Amino acid sequence: AQSVTQPDIHITVSEGASLELRCNYSYGATPYLFWYVQSPGQGLQLLLKYFSGDTLVQGIKGFEAEFKRSQSSFNLRKPSVHWSDAAEYFCAVGASNDYKLSFGAGTTVTVRA
Amino acid sequence: DVKVTQSSRYLVKRTGEKVFLECVQDMDHENMFWYRQDPGLGLRLIYFSYDVKMKEKGDIPEGYSVSREKKERFSLILESASTNQTSMYLCASSQEGRINTGELFFGEGSRLTVL
Repeated sequence: AQSVTQPDIHITVSEGASLELRCNYSYGATPYLFWYVQSPGQGLQLLLKYFSGDTLVQGIKGFEAEFKRSQSSFNLRKPSVHWSDAAEYFCAVGASNDYKLSFGAGTTVTVRA
Repeated sequence: DVKVTQSSRYLVKRTGEKVFLECVQDMDHENMFWYRQDPGLGLRLIYFSYDVKMKEKGDIPEGYSVSREKKERFSLILESASTNQTSMYLCASSQEGRINTGELFFGEGSRLTVL
């Protein structure tokens, strides 16, 4: 079964600074990987996804993520954070032969002025 | 835009009550899901359905049941609510085919408190 670990529970970053959120997955074959964002009081929204091909994936809101098979990682990055990026971020992994999507515990991002 | 609507944003129920959480999607999606979200645990899958009247257990189905009589509607049922079911419940849907062929579209969530 697949699983996801997000090592950082909470990250605080200054507005305009760069952001990197870590995600490690466990899965025997090639995983399908996702990053979702949940703003306060809202449902989850897809930021980006990786199925195959180029290991650097671009998403919405200026986010990108890089798939590194050797490290079993799919870290999310943004070069310059805006106050509106304060939210909870979830990494998720899926498999080609399974309906289920497994989510990490989430990382809460606080943006300070 | 795809819209997933959860009818109740906030509910307060008493232990032992029967609770219905309703979810409706308007994009003719085949797959629908119920997740539970708890701090530090992320999202855990309770049940999912890939077709009308079809359902499969997720990772934490105990204490829950589901109903899907129409394609657009997926209900989560707590037969006898308990305090450990106090949580945020998220409904999601996705297009035909396996989940990983596309994204999950989520509702805004239903926050249930069981006293």
